[in-house]
Amino acid sequence: EVQLVESGGGLVQPGRSLRLSCTASGFTFGDYAMSWVRQAPGKGLEWVGFIRSKAYGGTTEYAASVKGRFTISRDDSKSIAYLQMNSLKTEDTAVYYCTRLLSIAVAGYWGQGTLVTVSS
Amino acid sequence: EIVMTQSPATLSVSPGERATLSCRASQSVSSNLAWYQQKPGQAPRLLIYGASTRATGIPARFSGSGSGTEFTLTISSLQSEDFAVYYCQQYNNWWTFGQGTKVEIK
Repeated sequence: EVQLVESGGGLVQPGRSLRLSCTASGFTFGDYAMSWVRQAPGKGLEWVGFIRSKAYGGTTEYAASVKGRFTISRDDSKSIAYLQMNSLKTEDTAVYYCTRLLSIAVAGYWGQGTLVTVSS
Repeated sequence: EIVMTQSPATLSVSPGERATLSCRASQSVSSNLAWYQQKPGQAPRLLIYGASTRATGIPARFSGSGSGTEFTLTISSLQSEDFAVYYCQQYNNWWTFGQGTKVEIK
């Protein structure tokens, strides 16, 4: 069974950094692209970015709203994807979901999410 | 950025009735369109991809259609567990989501 468990969320001040982790199990982690999607309280879904598998270069893509501030990485030996968030803004407050892509570029599996609150 | 627009924002339907949800893209996304269902306090769940292919384990009462810029999700006979928020997503050019349609009990 595919499982994705996010961790690392919490309360952080504007301008500070936070790193989220997504621990995967139930599949060969290194074979799949991973993505992060966020949802502000009471709002819709917003794509944050994704990281390709090593077979496709392990490269990353980001939404314009986070490009230059957020970095996605992966450790295939530990089956963990990371989201490093720098220069956080109040508008980054959201539940952050880790997702595993299917063979096509859709989010076939989702974690339960972790809440990040950016506030002074 | 491709903008996805869903309508209506809220759909009131009685159990057993048909629900039809619409999604429009600001430019063609071919058939690179997915639908997700989200219940309160839960993560979204993939229902449909490729505009019309049901994901694993999704009941046949869910069907998708369309291509280019106009898409539809139909729930043929609403069950109690189908009352939720539904999002469309294009994956032709990175990802963007629609703002969601809430399907509520009439």
